[in-house]
Amino acid sequence: AQSVSQHNHHVILSEAASLELGCNYSYGGTVNLFWYVQYPGQHLQLLLKYFSGDPLVKGIKGFEAEFIKSKFSFNLRKPSVQWSDTAEYFCAVNAITGANNLFFGTGTRLTVIP
Amino acid sequence: DGGITQSPKYLFRKEGQNVTLSCEQNLNHDAMYWYRQDPGQGLRLIYYSQIVNDFQKGDIAEGYSVSREKKESFPLTVTSAQKNPTAFYLCASSTGGDGNTIYFGEGSWLTVV
Repeated sequence: AQSVSQHNHHVILSEAASLELGCNYSYGGTVNLFWYVQYPGQHLQLLLKYFSGDPLVKGIKGFEAEFIKSKFSFNLRKPSVQWSDTAEYFCAVNAITGANNLFFGTGTRLTVIP
Repeated sequence: DGGITQSPKYLFRKEGQNVTLSCEQNLNHDAMYWYRQDPGQGLRLIYYSQIVNDFQKGDIAEGYSVSREKKESFPLTVTSAQKNPTAFYLCASSTGGDGNTIYFGEGSWLTVV
């Protein structure tokens, strides 16, 4: 069965600090990988996704993520966070098995202090 | 505007009552989903439907029921058999098939008292 692990439950950073949120998944086959963000009081929005090609993908608002197949990881990064990045971040995995079901991690709450 | 509309946004119900959450999409997506979000547990799949008149159980289907009579609609009924129904419920849709991105509605807060 697929599973997704986000080991950081709550991260607190000052503005301009660099961010890296970990995401590991357990599935040996081909996967599609996603990061979603949920700003306070808003719905889940797609931040970025990886389907194939360049393992370093860039998303909205300066975020990027790197797919490392050998490590089953898809970590999210941003070189300099802003107060407006305060949100909950979810990693999700879709195994290429014929069913389009996303398996989500438990989420990481990011608090950016001005 | 295209999107996914969930209603109501907030709902209070007494224990033992069934309640139905509405989800409508005008994106012409084939697939629709219901997730439940609880603090510290991420999103868990309740039911999904890849096509009209067909739906499948997700990881936590017990105590829930769905129907998919129309492509644009996928209502979720939280029955009295659901032991812990108070939660945030998210409806989503996608074009179906592998790898297609799932888009979410704004969610419905259900509180059972």
